Amino acid sequence: ETGVTQTPRHLVMGMTNKKSLKCEQHLGHNAMYWYKQSAKKPLELMFVYSLEERVENNSVPSRFSPECPNSSHLFLHLHTLQPEDSALYLCASSRQGSNYGYTFGSGTRLTVV
Amino acid sequence: DAKTTQPPSMDCAEGRAANLPCNHSTISGNEYVYWYRQIHSQGPQYIIHGLKNNETNEMASLIITEDRKSSTLILPHATLRDTAVYYCIVRVDQGGKLIFGQGTELSVKP
Repeated sequence: ETGVTQTPRHLVMGMTNKKSLKCEQHLGHNAMYWYKQSAKKPLELMFVYSLEERVENNSVPSRFSPECPNSSHLFLHLHTLQPEDSALYLCASSRQGSNYGYTFGSGTRLTVV
Repeated sequence: DAKTTQPPSMDCAEGRAANLPCNHSTISGNEYVYWYRQIHSQGPQYIIHGLKNNETNEMASLIITEDRKSSTLILPHATLRDTAVYYCIVRVDQGGKLIFGQGTELSVKP
């Protein structure tokens, strides 16, 4: 366990469904991130939250909607996804002002059918 | 953030040292070199980072050239569990984003 917990580990959803991915950290970090990793591709940074404010949205389609209710929790709400959105979604956290990098969760493997 | 170049794949015999190179010729003075690894279908794991001095921890050693344009991650006694994709990333200190490239796929063979 890394201290960053993601649920569920696996998710299969239809294109008309609405689902949410959850990330929780108990490391005292104050920044959280969503990454997407498609097959055979590098990790892509999707969203950055610092002190519970969204500070970056890297041209992510609106069918992905993040939410950060507090510094320990991060959600990614999904609706009307496409099959090409199937990927490993990774959450990470860090302490702003620290050089010790990010701590990642184990990811949610999402399949859109 | 500066770009890095890594070989796409490397092999290493079990028990031998694995030396993974990384070029970062456009690195700026305030950018650190970070190494992460990702074992298949898991989240990336932090290994080590450094600015200009060589660094060592329980997992690996990081050797940075004097001009800081390249570095080498050394796993002193590779095991089969070290088989993973290794990412070299340069990052601005104290809050820069972690942007991942393609990394090096290291295969440790018996």
